[in-house]
Amino acid sequence: QSVLTQPPSASGTPGQRVTISCSGSSSNIGSNYVYWYQQLPGTAPTLLIYRNDQRPSGVPDRFSGSKSGTSASLAISGLRSEDETDFYCAAWDDSLSGPVFGGGTKLTVL
Amino acid sequence: EVQLVQSGAEVKKPGESLKISCKGFGYSFTTYWIAWVRQMPGKGLEWMGIIYPGDSDTRYSPSFQGQVTISADESISTAYLQWSSLKASDTAMYYCARHSAPRVGWFDPWGQGTLVTVSS
Repeated sequence: QSVLTQPPSASGTPGQRVTISCSGSSSNIGSNYVYWYQQLPGTAPTLLIYRNDQRPSGVPDRFSGSKSGTSASLAISGLRSEDETDFYCAAWDDSLSGPVFGGGTKLTVL
Repeated sequence: EVQLVQSGAEVKKPGESLKISCKGFGYSFTTYWIAWVRQMPGKGLEWMGIIYPGDSDTRYSPSFQGQVTISADESISTAYLQWSSLKASDTAMYYCARHSAPRVGWFDPWGQGTLVTVSS
């Protein structure tokens, strides 16, 4: 049982816009930054979004992050076949004194 | 290029000890934290703990406290994760990641992962 809650799966067709939610509590998302990581099958995760809505250099602007209260969202516009990967949200948890992750969302491009 | 390179896959028997490594390249190893993250087969990511190689300040997730030991040797820019007595339930992929700062930082980059298989 992950501390942050994500839907296990999401799907969309090429070109569509998809959003993935991440729900937490006042001790994590409610009071700290949210991060998103992308994990291609069989590879290590990579940073996708940092500090709620910032994109590292090299990440396309098709990816955007937002946060409101104790929830956050990752939006992917102009869906492409190579977006068919797993996405994880993360945030520092003040009660744990460490980072917590969501359970991950597997995105399928139909 | 900033890079973390982890040691190779391991196959061990229950009760054996193990130490895996994570070597940093392309940055000042002593000025960033290193985190260890577990991913069990088909499952999500779990934070195990972090270490600051500059002064060996180490913090563990309550779930892993007492189960593993995290250490670092700044002279060779390498962090370690070790077990004194492995269990079958330790079978997983283990990732290290550079962590800019507790509470406000992120994990980037990640090592390629070390697959640990524990089986009799």
